[in-house]
Amino acid sequence: NAGVTQTPKFQVLKTGQSMTLQCAQDMNHEYMSWYRQDPGMGLRLIHYSVGAGITDQGEVPNGYNVSRSTTEDFPLRLLSAAPSQTSVYFCASKRGQLTYGYTFGSGTRLTVV
Amino acid sequence: EDKVVQSPLSLVVHEGDTVTLNCSYEVTNFRSLLWYKQEKKAPTFLFMLTSSGIEKKSGRLSSILDKKELFSILNITATQTGDSAVYLCAVQETSGSRLTFGEGTQLTVNP
Repeated sequence: NAGVTQTPKFQVLKTGQSMTLQCAQDMNHEYMSWYRQDPGMGLRLIHYSVGAGITDQGEVPNGYNVSRSTTEDFPLRLLSAAPSQTSVYFCASKRGQLTYGYTFGSGTRLTVV
Repeated sequence: EDKVVQSPLSLVVHEGDTVTLNCSYEVTNFRSLLWYKQEKKAPTFLFMLTSSGIEKKSGRLSSILDKKELFSILNITATQTGDSAVYLCAVQETSGSRLTFGEGTQLTVNP
């Protein structure tokens, strides 16, 4: 198993550009989430999904879109990048409601200039 | 709004010392509390606690939860330089779909 795979690992965007951060897992996990990590603020939940076709907003959803067309993939779209979106983004997954904590991907470091 | 507060935010110790990391929380629908270790990249899972008073142990690491006082502690005995990392505390609510994280404790273990 590859676990949770995130691409790209690093990205620099100009303000106003759009892009998609990719996340894929091969563990047949139903639950998937996107977090951002900023210095001194821990990880904050952006969007999450409890199964294919089901998504919901987390704590900081503005400026981001998600979709979940398959169990394996959960891409995060930045619609119009802003410097405030400079952060490290983590995708995470787990099997289901009753399983323990999420497994995290290795992260994408995004810089918006 | 769910809230998790960790203390201290940073800690510097010498190899062989014992450290205690603290995590307090306010969660509307509490299901479990989790500890993660983050070295450079992805957080890696350490413990999940759901019941008060039951200590979880893994080698030199142990953790306990107090659901009445709404806090947890993570103990590391005989610290090693490899224990240097950010330790994250998170609470999971009853649906199991959301984690709320604290800011983390940066632990540095010097030789």
